[in-house]
Amino acid sequence: KNEVEQSPQNLTAQEGEFITINCSYSVGISALHWLQQHPGGGIVSLFMLSSGKKKHGRLIATINIQEKHSSLHITASHPRDSAVYICAVIQGGGADGLTFGKGTHLIIQP
Amino acid sequence: EPEVTQTPSHQVTQMGQEVILRCVPISNHLYFYWYRQILGQKVEFLVSFYNNEISEKSEIFDDQFSVERPDGSNFTLKIRSTKLEDSAMYFCASKLGNIQYFGAGTRLSVL
Repeated sequence: KNEVEQSPQNLTAQEGEFITINCSYSVGISALHWLQQHPGGGIVSLFMLSSGKKKHGRLIATINIQEKHSSLHITASHPRDSAVYICAVIQGGGADGLTFGKGTHLIIQP
Repeated sequence: EPEVTQTPSHQVTQMGQEVILRCVPISNHLYFYWYRQILGQKVEFLVSFYNNEISEKSEIFDDQFSVERPDGSNFTLKIRSTKLEDSAMYFCASKLGNIQYFGAGTRLSVL
């Protein structure tokens, strides 16, 4: 069973700061997802990674398969980035379900 | 943009009652999932469904739970006899390629 750990659990930063959220997992995976959950509860997929790095706007996600570690970075953070960021992994393919971390609660203050 | 739709958004029920949570996945997607999130805890996988049958299920998904795809569009989760500990947010998701698309969730409150 894969154990997914995220750090930090909570993060408060000022607008404009560079944010890093970390995720590590215990067992080899086929892919890792970064998800965003807003206070209303809805979940949105931000990235799916199986190697290297991806960038979308101010968001950057990296993964190191050998180290079993991924990071999500937010550049020029903004109060609207305030949300829970969740790392989730998938070990196989097809219909395999995701195994989730506990999430990082991010608050960006103006 | 196509989206996964879940109804109702909030369901309140008495302990011991049956509930059915409904989901309409994105129309050309092939894989369907149910997850749950107990308040303050992480999201947990319940079950996946492909080709009209359960593909994988977690230890949470016991005999009290069942899933169905009764027609070409709906995907339902039934809880036969609800317990207090079934109170949670239940998320449906669907995928075609690699990305799972999540519905907004149904908050189930068991009294």
